[in-house]
Amino acid sequence: GNSVTQMEGPVTLSEEAFLTINCTYTATGYPSLFWYVQYPGEGLQLLLKATKADDKGSNKGFEATYRKETTSFHLEKGSVQVSDSAVYFCALSDRNGGYQKVTFGTGTKLQVIP
Amino acid sequence: SQTIHQWPATLVQPVGSPLSLECTVEGTSNPNLYWYRQAAGRGLQLLFYSVGIGQISSEVPQNLSASRPQDRQFILSSKKLLLSDSGFYLCAWRTPGTGGETQYFGPGTRLLVL
Repeated sequence: GNSVTQMEGPVTLSEEAFLTINCTYTATGYPSLFWYVQYPGEGLQLLLKATKADDKGSNKGFEATYRKETTSFHLEKGSVQVSDSAVYFCALSDRNGGYQKVTFGTGTKLQVIP
Repeated sequence: SQTIHQWPATLVQPVGSPLSLECTVEGTSNPNLYWYRQAAGRGLQLLFYSVGIGQISSEVPQNLSASRPQDRQFILSSKKLLLSDSGFYLCAWRTPGTGGETQYFGPGTRLLVL
């Protein structure tokens, strides 16, 4: 079955530091890959996505590249801000299943300190 | 534009009491609908999903149930709550079919069972 593995948190960074949150996946089909963000007390928001190999998703300074050869979709940001403090979820949706289900990682909590 | 609503936002219930959480979507027709639970500090667990009125798929055995009485209404219920039912409940929707792989989440309901 499908699975998503992301690095354990929490990740604590100083403001303006470089961020990487690792994500690897296992899928039987041709998945689309996502990063969702959850701010404290809120639901999940789509941050970015990529639907095929070598695609790069980007939004709000965050980027992730769909690497089929390493089955990875690592999230990066060059300079984090305090407002980026949140929980980040890597996820995949499989075309073979008609995209009916999304498999989520366990989430990585990011804390950015001034 | 599409919006998704959940209520109540917060709920405190005694063990053994019934539960009804409601989710409604506006601005789209025949969406796929989902109920997730997020326990404190944990990832997302898919509970139920629905591809149409009266069509419910259950992902995990539990004392919860779901119903879809109208196209854009999804209800999560329990006859008798357990302590372990405490958590953050998220409803989500997506456009059915390929190309609609992104899920969009509601603001969530925080349930505390005492």
